[in-house]
Amino acid sequence: DQQVKQNSPSLSVQEGRISILNCDYTNSMFDYFLWYKKYPAEGPTFLISISSIKDKNEDGRFTVFLNKSAKHLSLHIVPSQPGDSAVYFCAARGYGGSQGNLIFGKGTKLSVKP
Amino acid sequence: DAGITQSPRHKVTETGTPVTLRCHQTENHRYMYWYRQDPGHGLRLIHYSYGVKDTDKGEVSDGYSVSRSKTEDFLLTLESATSSQTSVYFCAISEDLRNYLRFGPGTRLTVT
Repeated sequence: DQQVKQNSPSLSVQEGRISILNCDYTNSMFDYFLWYKKYPAEGPTFLISISSIKDKNEDGRFTVFLNKSAKHLSLHIVPSQPGDSAVYFCAARGYGGSQGNLIFGKGTKLSVKP
Repeated sequence: DAGITQSPRHKVTETGTPVTLRCHQTENHRYMYWYRQDPGHGLRLIHYSYGVKDTDKGEVSDGYSVSRSKTEDFLLTLESATSSQTSVYFCAISEDLRNYLRFGPGTRLTVT
């Protein structure tokens, strides 16, 4: 059973507009959430994270929102740039669990059109 | 990320042959992981290590074994490769359990 779900396989937005990527999770024991970005033929790179004690974390153009009651998090990219075109993975980790292992969603491919 | 290297970067092998993939880090991080990425599945954990000679299974460990004899090296072995193990394999490292994982560049393995 999938514990981390990214229900949109792809998303297309215009340059300069907002990109919103969504992620849902089922395990209430998750206490740390991350977003990774992946370009073709490269490894995933860490983008931004949020602890379950917070509901928002910002880093430049990237903001992650966490709604614990809905078991939902989202990544906002404002403004979107063509270089943001990549696959974005949502990941989660349980408290003290499994030696820090991350559980990943299937990814959302973001295309930012010039 | 020069701190994490994987070798080989590409490999084509035949069904039934053994294959070993290597992950090498220069960061002296305690935790190391092997993930595989497949279309429609995202990234799935194969095995991980929490210290020299300390390893454990992940979500999709069947058909794989690992070894870690030195802090800097984490080896993934497919004892007898099958076509279902055709995938892109990523190594990752982490300094501690509360830190994010840093990934290597990946190894694309094709089993024919």
